[in-house]
Amino acid sequence: NAGVTQTPKFQVLKTGQSMTLQCAQDMNHNSMYWYRQDPGMGLRLIYYSASEGTTDKGEVPNGYNVSRLNKREFSLRLESAAPSQTSVYFCASRTGTGGNTEAFFGQGTRLTVV
Amino acid sequence: GESVGLHLPTLSVQEGDNSIINCAYSNSASDYFIWYKQESGKGPQFIIDIRSNMDKRQGQRVTVLLNKTVKHLSLQIAATQPGDSAVYFCAETLTSGGYQKVTFGIGTKLQVIP
Repeated sequence: NAGVTQTPKFQVLKTGQSMTLQCAQDMNHNSMYWYRQDPGMGLRLIYYSASEGTTDKGEVPNGYNVSRLNKREFSLRLESAAPSQTSVYFCASRTGTGGNTEAFFGQGTRLTVV
Repeated sequence: GESVGLHLPTLSVQEGDNSIINCAYSNSASDYFIWYKQESGKGPQFIIDIRSNMDKRQGQRVTVLLNKTVKHLSLQIAATQPGDSAVYFCAETLTSGGYQKVTFGIGTKLQVIP
């Protein structure tokens, strides 16, 4: 049971380059999320998908786009990377129903933009 | 050992002692409060949650206390072990329109001294 799988684990980009972070979950969860984690800032929500076919902006969406490809997969795209996007990115999923609060996180992608 | 919320991000405790990690939350309308544990190089992992209409919930070696009067949440870890060394995040959730918005704190680092 893999849970939430993110790829790649590490990436270095030059300013202006683009890339897509991939995320897949095998728990049949409805809701999926992308967060970034910076020192002293905690986890901040970039985008989320409450259910298949929907996506919405979180706290810090600027410079990112997302695609909920199907129920399993939720990708995050940086069209033109900037040094301010250097961060650790986490994908998460939840059942998205009832009072179940537990979110399952991937291992993270450490992105450096130079 | 006891930490004072977000202003003292590191807590050091002796192995075998009890740990208390504190958190101040911001929204009195939040309906659930959650604690996550994040080990180095890994994604956050759910520990325990508590509904806003409760003031105490116990798990395995952990207890969460909620004081809504002063908007304060704490996580108590009994008989702290080296494997408990990690960063601990509190989170508050607000359910609106069927979507559960989660806001994370910046975390407290717990160091267990053998």
